[in-house]
This record gives sequence, structure tokens and C-alpha cells, in this order.
Amino acid sequence: GAGVSQSPRYKVAKRGQDVALRCDPISGHVSLFWYQQALGQGPEFLTYFQNEAQLDKSGLPSDRFFAERPEGSVSTLKIQRTQQEDSAVYLCASANTEAFFGQGTRLTVV
Amino acid sequence: AQSVTQPDIHITVSEGASLELRCNYSYGATPYLFWYVQSPGQGLQLLLKYFSGDTLVQGIKGFEAEFKRSQSSFNLRKPSVHWSDAAEYFCAVGFNAGNNRKLIWGLGTSLAVNP
Repeated sequence: GAGVSQSPRYKVAKRGQDVALRCDPISGHVSLFWYQQALGQGPEFLTYFQNEAQLDKSGLPSDRFFAERPEGSVSTLKIQRTQQEDSAVYLCASANTEAFFGQGTRLTVV
Repeated sequence: AQSVTQPDIHITVSEGASLELRCNYSYGATPYLFWYVQSPGQGLQLLLKYFSGDTLVQGIKGFEAEFKRSQSSFNLRKPSVHWSDAAEYFCAVGFNAGNNRKLIWGLGTSLAVNP
């Protein structure tokens, strides 16, 4: 497709469950970002990849959060042992000079 | 630390009226500046950006923004608002940390448009 694709669009997880969120960036985009957007808030930076290299993971809130982009294209954000405070929309963006955002994955932890 | 402030949480305007959404940033150097719009159920869409040069930038959907270095501001304007402009608007600041162009975001301004 022409844009950034994220799946699933919606995910309900029981507390303690592991989840994996997928991002398919625009083909050829070198940079890939993950953001977390809580309800009524602006996005908060989580992590950044340049190709397959994770250059900045300073925004990951805890060691339960892990992101990878092994072949420099598709990226996966994994959250282990989910907690209620993890409930948010997780946004992926890919960029060369301009960032394009996916529609996000809405994660609800119950 | 870098920060972005959008002082207005919620604004209501009448259709056809002019609009100005405020954005102030805190950063030691001139950053990259962006305005995004987010409609319900939609992804973030870039309205316009400022990197350098002319401080008045034109964007999509009739929006414009002016960078004022002395005020550390990048306010978004539109001369005549349409009902379809109702959405959440985010100001964001980018800076280079090496090749990392991560964005720092404001909390957003929710725009409602009365018919």
C-alpha cells in the first residue's frame, strides 16, 4: 500500500498478557518511529530506528517494552506482561524527510 | 529540556470565522516545526512544516503558520474555517540528535466548528 499500515487496529489484552503490534512502513523509508498516545494527550516518543538499527530507545517506559526492525522494514513493538497503564494508541511513523503516520493500534488492557 | 506548549485545550469557532491556534516551544536552537491534524479514527496528517527560510509557511487545506523566533512561537492560522476542519491539532517540534529526528509534541488543541 501507499501509506503506513499498522495491525491490529484494535487489541484488547488481559492484564499480564503479552502483545505484539506490527508496523509496515512506506517502502524505502529509512526512519521508523514508535509513539504512544494516551487518551487526551499528544503522542510521546518511544523509540526510533534507522534501517535495522535502533538508535534511540529512550522513550520506552520500562523493560517490558521491546521493539525490533530486523530487516530494516517491518517493525514490531512488543509489550510483555501488559498493565492497565499501557492502554493507549500506539502510533508508528516512517520517514525519509517527512514523517507519515499510520492510523495506530488502540490497545486496551483489562 | 525541550517542550511544546499549546495553551488552548479546546476552541470553538463559527463556520467562516478566522482561526488561530497557538504553539510555543522551548529549545536552545531553531528547531524543525510541524503542525499535524488528527481526525477521529484517522492517523496524524501533516498540515505544514518549517525547516528554514521564509517564516510564513503555507500548508494544505488553506492553513498557514508563522514562525516567530523572538516569541518562540509557531501559530497556525486559517482565514475561514470549514465544518470539516473540526479535529484535534497538534504542534510538534523536531530536532536533530545525530540522525534522530524524533518529535516532541504538544498536548493538542481540540477544534469544534459551529454551523
